[in-house]
Amino acid sequence: NAGVTQTPKFQVLKTGQSMTLQCAQDMNHEYMSWYRQDPGMGLRLIHYSVGAGITDQGEVPNGYNVSRSTTEDFPLRLLSAAPSQTSVYFCASSRNGDGEQYFGPGTRLTVT
Amino acid sequence: GQQVMQIPQYQHVQEGEDFTTYCNSSTTLSNIQWYKQRPGGHPVFLIQLVKSGEVKKQKRLTFQFGEAKKNSSLHITATQTTDVGTYFCAGPTSGTYKYIFGTGTRLKVLA
Repeated sequence: NAGVTQTPKFQVLKTGQSMTLQCAQDMNHEYMSWYRQDPGMGLRLIHYSVGAGITDQGEVPNGYNVSRSTTEDFPLRLLSAAPSQTSVYFCASSRNGDGEQYFGPGTRLTVT
Repeated sequence: GQQVMQIPQYQHVQEGEDFTTYCNSSTTLSNIQWYKQRPGGHPVFLIQLVKSGEVKKQKRLTFQFGEAKKNSSLHITATQTTDVGTYFCAGPTSGTYKYIFGTGTRLKVLA
């Protein structure tokens, strides 16, 4: 089992560019989520999904889109990158949404 | 908005001393989970408590969930250098799958 994988590990974008952060899990988990972590802070929920075809907004959804066409994949799209989106992004999954979350290694994004 | 505060923000201890971090939520949580994040790493699950007043132990770590399901604590007895990292509490607000993470407590252990 690879667990939760994220690509890329590092990314630098210019303001206004768009990109997709990839997240995949091979544990057949129904629940997947995206968080951002800013320096010295906790994790803030961006979007989450309780199953294929179902997504919902978290605490800080503005500027981000998600879709869940398969159980395995949960990509996060930045529509028009802004410097305020400079952060470390973590994807996580759990079996049913109210238990242990498994985190990916993270993507460090810098927007200049 | 809903938030989860942890105190202290930082703690430096001598190896062998005890350590406690407290987690206080502005809203009721369905359950409380604790995670540890090493510098440069990702959060790793430690434990989950579900019932109000629940207490669980893992070797030198003791976890408690408050009666009102709005607060929790993590106590480490006789810290070791391997305990270094940031400890986060987290939980879904009652009746939802929206997780809130605490602000974290960064522990440094001096040998």
